[in-house]
Amino acid sequence: AQKVTQAQTEISVVEKEDVTLDCVYETRDTTYYLFWYKQPPSGELVFLIRRNSFDEQNEISGRYSWNFQKSTSSFNFTITASQVVDSAVYFCALSEAYGANNLFFGTGTRLTVIP
Amino acid sequence: EAQVTQNPRYLITVTGKKLTVTCSQNMNHEYMSWYRQDPGLGLRQIYYSMNVEVTDKGDVPEGYKVSRKEKRNFPLILESPSPNQTSLYFCASSLPGEQFFGPGTRLTVL
Repeated sequence: AQKVTQAQTEISVVEKEDVTLDCVYETRDTTYYLFWYKQPPSGELVFLIRRNSFDEQNEISGRYSWNFQKSTSSFNFTITASQVVDSAVYFCALSEAYGANNLFFGTGTRLTVIP
Repeated sequence: EAQVTQNPRYLITVTGKKLTVTCSQNMNHEYMSWYRQDPGLGLRQIYYSMNVEVTDKGDVPEGYKVSRKEKRNFPLILESPSPNQTSLYFCASSLPGEQFFGPGTRLTVL
């Protein structure tokens, strides 16, 4: 069965600090997708990144970077030089590559960036 | 513009009063699903549909019904809402590896 664990429930950092959000997943599938979503206080889900299980290349997008390691079943998310606007709940999720494409979410990490 | 719409966005109701939350997508996707979000639990899937007239239970289906009579619509029905169904609900429409979420419906059952 699929499972996603985000062990950090809440994190607080001071503005401009770097912060890493951890995500560990379990799946028997050899092909799957991993996602990160941001949920700001307004409540909508904002897509940040999708990673295919065959692609272990790390990715950087501005201040955001993602470290995917199949050997440890982890897909960690780092925000560099955090800003107040980064304050949100962040969800890591896993989906099947075939079939119903159902998403399995972690319980989320609430990030608070203190000015 | 590709989108998933949900209505209503906010709803306060009372125990036992039947309600329907509508969900519509304009991307011609076959897959659609409903999730609920609760504090400390993340998002959990309620029901999903792989095509018209094909629906199946997710992880937390008790107390909900769905129907898929047309590809674009996937309403969520609460026949007799209870306070433990107070939650934030998301509809999603998807392709393999791509998920499109609606804006969410915040439901309070008194």
